[in-house]
Amino acid sequence: NAGVMQNPRHLVRRRGQEARLRCSPMKGHSHVYWYRQLPEEGLKFMVYLQKENIIDESGMPKERFSAEFPKEGPSILRIQQVVRGDSAAYFCASSPSPPGTGVGLNTEAFFGQGTRLTVV
Amino acid sequence: AQSVSQHNHHVILSEAASLELGCNYSYGGTVNLFWYVQYPGQHLQLLLKYFSGDPLVKGIKGFEAEFIKSKFSFNLRKPSVQWSDTAEYFCAVNARSSSASKIIFGSGTRLSIRP
Repeated sequence: NAGVMQNPRHLVRRRGQEARLRCSPMKGHSHVYWYRQLPEEGLKFMVYLQKENIIDESGMPKERFSAEFPKEGPSILRIQQVVRGDSAAYFCASSPSPPGTGVGLNTEAFFGQGTRLTVV
Repeated sequence: AQSVSQHNHHVILSEAASLELGCNYSYGGTVNLFWYVQYPGQHLQLLLKYFSGDPLVKGIKGFEAEFIKSKFSFNLRKPSVQWSDTAEYFCAVNARSSSASKIIFGSGTRLSIRP
């Protein structure tokens, strides 16, 4: 069972371009979380998705950022018209059900290796 | 809304010293609590978790944490640290409910171990 797969690992974009970050959750996981980690800062929650639904997007910037998790395929975090301030590591996590729920109340979130976005 | 505070941004210890990293959360209801570790250049890995039951939980690599509900705390401890424990440590919380809720992370504590 492969872990959470994120690609690309490193992404360089010029200002104004679009960045697409992909996250394939672990097999059997239908819940995906996206986080942003800025240098010297912690993980900031961005969005929580379940298959075809956005559960919580309270951490997403109002403009240029969007996320989806289609029925088939990976979850995509899309950043339009990137700016230098978007440079960060973006981590995805997945879980089979909301943490602390489900069979045995023993679910947790597993993280991918992250995508490091550099805007030049 | 829930939030997490980690009091120490950077802790420096010598090998064999004891470790305690503070974590406090704010949320009035039932919570799930986690500690994650991020080794240099790597992704986050789960150290330990608390969902219910014994408030003293043991994790991997000799780490443990104690949930003190009255203090809204979930401090991480290790009796004797090693150089390989050099990493960033994140406390996280999510509200337990029948519906889905996000996992919120603290700002992290960087741990440096002197050989």
